[in-house]
Amino acid sequence: QSALTQPRSVSGSPGQSVTISCTGTSSDVGGYDYVSWFQQNPGEAPKLMIYDVTKRPSGVPDRLSGSKSGNTASLTISGLQAEDEADYYCCSYAGSHTYVFGTGTTVTVL
Amino acid sequence: EVQLVESGGDLVPRGGSLRLSCVVSGFTFRIYSMHWVRQAPGKGLEWVSKISANSHAFYTDSVKGRFTISRDNAKNSLYLQMNSLRDEDTAVYYCASQTAFCSGGTCVGADWGQGTLVTVSS
Repeated sequence: QSALTQPRSVSGSPGQSVTISCTGTSSDVGGYDYVSWFQQNPGEAPKLMIYDVTKRPSGVPDRLSGSKSGNTASLTISGLQAEDEADYYCCSYAGSHTYVFGTGTTVTVL
Repeated sequence: EVQLVESGGDLVPRGGSLRLSCVVSGFTFRIYSMHWVRQAPGKGLEWVSKISANSHAFYTDSVKGRFTISRDNAKNSLYLQMNSLRDEDTAVYYCASQTAFCSGGTCVGADWGQGTLVTVSS
């Protein structure tokens, strides 16, 4: 049950695109199409942004998109906006009703 | 409107016990799985435990044998009994409901509470 690996931080200028990677193993990310992504602002609870690798809950802008290749999932934020500045965590189902989160990535809008 | 409200967080001595509660409203509690997720100060999210609608319980390795998750469907409430607390259990504890987009069990929670702080002191 080791945490999934994410870059500590990514940054971009308004309008640019940034991509956050999330690397696990064949027992979690690579084994199931059950990767989700959460956004967390300081002092607030996490908010679900992506589920089942690519799906967006209603209300989440289509500037956010998810993908997966092998043991690595990715979240791409296109047309970066100031409101996107936050911490982002991936999460994967890991079998037997257990889950594992990523180490977290801080997105900075320059 | 879905609401999850945690309570019970406190300052507790190392080796002590604490019981967290999460009261929910706005959805049919009894048919959904529920989770506890924690976040140590300045650190990332960590999945702690899940309880299914029929009360089957699952835990991360570091809390097995020390923590017990339970639910009372009549009270729309989720609990986490924490025993033999360690310094590394210090965290904000969130409850999350496996509702809406997560109802198939593929993600932890579409709805979260605001968290309750547990501090284990030496």
